[in-house]
Amino acid sequence: DADVTQTPRNRITKTGKRIMLECSQTKGHDRMYWYRQDPGLGLRLIYYSFDVKDINKGEISDGYSVSRQAQAKFSLSLESAIPNQTALYFCAVTPGGGTDTQYFGPGTRLTVL
Amino acid sequence: QKEVEQNSGPLSVPEGAIASLNCTYSDRGSQSFFWYRQYSGKSPELIMSIYSNGDKEDGRFTAQLNKASQYVSLLIRDSQPSDSATYLCAVTGNTGFQKLVFGTGTRLLVSP
Repeated sequence: DADVTQTPRNRITKTGKRIMLECSQTKGHDRMYWYRQDPGLGLRLIYYSFDVKDINKGEISDGYSVSRQAQAKFSLSLESAIPNQTALYFCAVTPGGGTDTQYFGPGTRLTVL
Repeated sequence: QKEVEQNSGPLSVPEGAIASLNCTYSDRGSQSFFWYRQYSGKSPELIMSIYSNGDKEDGRFTAQLNKASQYVSLLIRDSQPSDSATYLCAVTGNTGFQKLVFGTGTRLLVSP
């Protein structure tokens, strides 16, 4: 159990609005990730971070930005939301100790109208 | 060719039967392999990880890895209706950041 929380759990917003999704973890893991999941497309990596000063783009970063405010917090922002960003968003973490296993938070269901 | 391929299903099995889920991957240098279970609308939950060729058993679950054939499978013995979910295969690469690449999942339906 990686104790990952995500807020909000559900969000409906309008096209053009700025929105922030937040992820927090309580165990001080270094590595944090943001994914989106769409039906038929599986999980796709948006951004990942190895520590506060190390942030990297994933395969679908366009239209998104992130900030790692602290070791425990990793936020995903949609600067100007569009309908095709409607998806399930998951935060994940990797514990230390040489493992590459990822543990997922509960997810945020985002709908952009 | 997709990096990680799974049959989308649904795979239907009766309660008590063995469910066999399969996954192929394209990166021959992949090092780590994972199976996640995901209930509808919920987050992926790790079931098994496997790193070496052969079988790895954990309770009713057995993961099988064949690197030469680039194939990993998950067997679920004594399937229960509560096993009905989508099963995601994930594979890491062999260089640098060990990014997880996910298949699109196989939906399993276990009927009572």
